Amino acid sequence: EAAVTQSPRSKVAVTGGKVTLSCHQTNNHDYMYWYRQDTGHGLRLIHYSYVADSTEKGDIPDGYKASRPSQENFSLILELASLSQTAVYFCASSDRGRLGGRGAEQFFGPGTRLTVL
Amino acid sequence: AQSVTQPDARVTVSEGASLQLRCKYSYFGTPYLFWYVQYPRQGLQLLLKYYPGDPVVQGVNGFEAEFSKSNSSFHLRKASVHWSDWAVYFCAVSPSFLSGSFNKLTFGAGTRLAVCP
Repeated sequence: EAAVTQSPRSKVAVTGGKVTLSCHQTNNHDYMYWYRQDTGHGLRLIHYSYVADSTEKGDIPDGYKASRPSQENFSLILELASLSQTAVYFCASSDRGRLGGRGAEQFFGPGTRLTVL
Repeated sequence: AQSVTQPDARVTVSEGASLQLRCKYSYFGTPYLFWYVQYPRQGLQLLLKYYPGDPVVQGVNGFEAEFSKSNSSFHLRKASVHWSDWAVYFCAVSPSFLSGSFNKLTFGAGTRLAVCP
């Protein structure tokens, strides 16, 4: 069965510190995504990638970097963590789907709860 | 730009009662549409998806949704709610034509469903 795993599942970080969130997929999918979820809101796209060694900005990339060293792994990096980055972060993957990547089901990981103090 | 509105932040129903969760989308043309469910402390799971064709789509666990182009809606329905349906439900839209975009999912804010005994 398709699987997306995330580590750590929860983390407490200090303001100004560096945080790395990791994601691993065994779906053999080309696309990977990072979202953040804030209480009472839907998911918002931070970064995505459609091939190893390449990442693209999503809707809210400021304050975040991403890294895709292989097809299976996708990391989200907060170089200088801030209070406003306290949220739950979800990783997802999908295949190319129809029409060059559109309409494909995304498979989500369990999420990482990040608290910045 | 695509967008999704879920007008009901919270819905409470009695177990065994019928359910409708509303979703309105904004997109030029006919999009791909999705309903995802998020159980407590878990990632999102796909309930059902719509690709242009039959406007009524069947999903898992007795859920179905109906696409209406004239109303720009994609409401989720279930004939008889079970206590295990207690979760947050997200509607999402993805572009279906070459719009310069990729498989970008835009999520609504979610509807929190509570089931009373």
